[in-house]
Amino acid sequence: AQTVTQSQPEMSVQEAETVTLSCTYDTSESNYYLFWYKQPPSRQMILVIRQEAYKQQNATENRFSVNFQKAAKSFSLKISDSQLGDTAMYFCASPDNYGQNFVFGPGTRLSVLP
Amino acid sequence: NAGVTQTPKFQVLKTGQSMTLQCAQDMNHNSMYWYRQDPGMGLRLIYYSASEGTTDKGEVPNGYNVSRLNKREFSLRLESAAPSQTSVYFCASSEARAGASSYGYTFGSGTRLTVV
Repeated sequence: AQTVTQSQPEMSVQEAETVTLSCTYDTSESNYYLFWYKQPPSRQMILVIRQEAYKQQNATENRFSVNFQKAAKSFSLKISDSQLGDTAMYFCASPDNYGQNFVFGPGTRLSVLP
Repeated sequence: NAGVTQTPKFQVLKTGQSMTLQCAQDMNHNSMYWYRQDPGMGLRLIYYSASEGTTDKGEVPNGYNVSRLNKREFSLRLESAAPSQTSVYFCASSEARAGASSYGYTFGSGTRLTVV
């Protein structure tokens, strides 16, 4: 079965510091998008950032950016100037091998400390 | 506001009871999905509907049934609830299949289901 791996179950970072969450995937799709979602205690799933696999340039959305290594199938999320509101579970998602559905990693619980 | 509406938000069932989780989207999306979320396991796909009139099993379909009532609505039914089905359930929709989707999923707000 296809897997998405997030090797850090929990992480913490001081407010205003930078943190990187890792993700690896193994889709066989050739043209696809990858996604990071945030799930705060409210339980709502919120899109953080997306990356086009055929673009070498890493995506950036304000304080959030990715480090995308297509050959290594690695898709890490960097959060700069961390804020208390960034405290949440973070999930990365990749298309499955048939391109039909998204497969999610197990999540990384991020705590931003004051 | 456009989005995915999922009901109920919370439910407690006794073992053996049945219930239906409702999901509706107003974004004219073709594809709809039901996932369950359990601690340490991320989101696992139960069933999906690639388009109106079609449904397919996902990774963990046992104990569930679905109905794609029309393009907007996709319901999940538990015929005889078991404690192992205690979980948080999410409905989601997308404009296209995952490999062709540039916007990813839009999620409902989730249902916390407890089976005692």
